[in-house]
Amino acid sequence: AQSVTQLGSHVSVSEGALVLLRCNYSSSVPPYLFWYVQYPNQGLQLLLKYTSAATLVKGINGFEAEFKKSETSFHLTKPSAHMSDAAEYFCAVSDRAGGYNKLIFGAGTRLAVHP
Amino acid sequence: NAGVTQTPKFRVLKTGQSMTLLCAQDMNHEYMYWYRQDPGMGLRLIHYSVGEGTTAKGEVPDGYNVSRLKKQNFLLGLESAAPSQTSVYFCASRAIGQDSNQPQHFGDGTRLSIL
Repeated sequence: AQSVTQLGSHVSVSEGALVLLRCNYSSSVPPYLFWYVQYPNQGLQLLLKYTSAATLVKGINGFEAEFKKSETSFHLTKPSAHMSDAAEYFCAVSDRAGGYNKLIFGAGTRLAVHP
Repeated sequence: NAGVTQTPKFRVLKTGQSMTLLCAQDMNHEYMYWYRQDPGMGLRLIHYSVGEGTTAKGEVPDGYNVSRLKKQNFLLGLESAAPSQTSVYFCASRAIGQDSNQPQHFGDGTRLSIL
């Protein structure tokens, strides 16, 4: 069965520092991968998705993620953190067994940004 | 555009009471989903629907029922609420499209407490 592991339930960075949120997936075939962001008291918003057209995917708000098949990873990065980036981030993979109709989510990583 | 709208936003129930959560989407999406979000567990799929008149079980369906009588609406019912069902509930919808990695679009959630 497919699964998603997000390393680190909490990550804290200083404003202006590099943001790195880790996501590893398990899949025997090339997966469809997503990163979502959840701001307090809101629903999830799509940050970016892996389409297989390019291994480096650019998303909204300056975030990007790199698909590395050899490492089964899809880590999310941003060169310089802003206070407004404080939120919870979820990595997700489409469930191939379910005909790609369903998403399997990681447990989430809460990002704190300090002045 | 309203996108995905969930009602109510907050609700407190007593154990044994019943209620229905309503999800409405105005994007003409075929697929709709109900998730629950609990701390440290990410989002877990309760039930989903791949079209009007169809429903299917997700990862944690026990204690819940759903109906999709109209394409734009997806109802989640709790017949006899239990404290273990205290959670934040999210509805999502997704287009079919030619691309299997169409993202899901989320509502803002319903915060449900069972006393």
